[in-house]
Amino acid sequence: GQQLNQSPQSMFIQEGEDVSMNCTSSSIFNTWLWYKQDPGEGPVLLIALYKAGELTSNGRLTAQFGITRKDSFLNISASIPSDVGIYFCAGHPGTYKYIFGTGTRLKVLA
Amino acid sequence: SAVISQKPSRDICQRGTSLTIQCQVDSQVTMMFWYRQQPGQSLTLIATANQGSEATYESGFVIDKFPISRPNLTFSTLTVSNMSPEDSSIYLCSVEDVGQETQYFGPGTRLLVL
Repeated sequence: GQQLNQSPQSMFIQEGEDVSMNCTSSSIFNTWLWYKQDPGEGPVLLIALYKAGELTSNGRLTAQFGITRKDSFLNISASIPSDVGIYFCAGHPGTYKYIFGTGTRLKVLA
Repeated sequence: SAVISQKPSRDICQRGTSLTIQCQVDSQVTMMFWYRQQPGQSLTLIATANQGSEATYESGFVIDKFPISRPNLTFSTLTVSNMSPEDSSIYLCSVEDVGQETQYFGPGTRLLVL
């Protein structure tokens, strides 16, 4: 099925560094969601974005809804070891279902 | 947000058998969905579980293989029928309330088919 492209696919970073990842699509979306999935768990919602240009924070996490409505960004500041996991974006094109990104695998080196 | 539970949390099954996965929500929700997540992959929508009517299946998924029930607004089941090793995946239930455009996931059911 249709998927969003996430970048990077994976990254190793040092504890304390900032992290940036993004999600792009050829289609316009009305809503963007960002999830984190820990090993053996279901995805947990981190941030929801509903308007183009919207910038929303949740603790050390900040996400933005791109102006073109075809992309979104997630930043993590001052990473810590528990930030390890897979981050998924999901876009809602206004139909009944979400389209999920390919995932960014984050590994933090202490 | 809704609290979602799934049973079983994991199972190992033999080829040719069927497994029914249950999803229970602690509040009434409008929309319930079933996803599959193959090892190392993203999430793929199997179907939307409709209360009181037949589920709506995505391309590549059929009712004979993945029958779904939704008898009320808090409960749904997904059956994986006539299993093969290719069905080894995580199966996830999710919920969404109309107008909120925010989807929440259960903990998943890890299925291994031998």
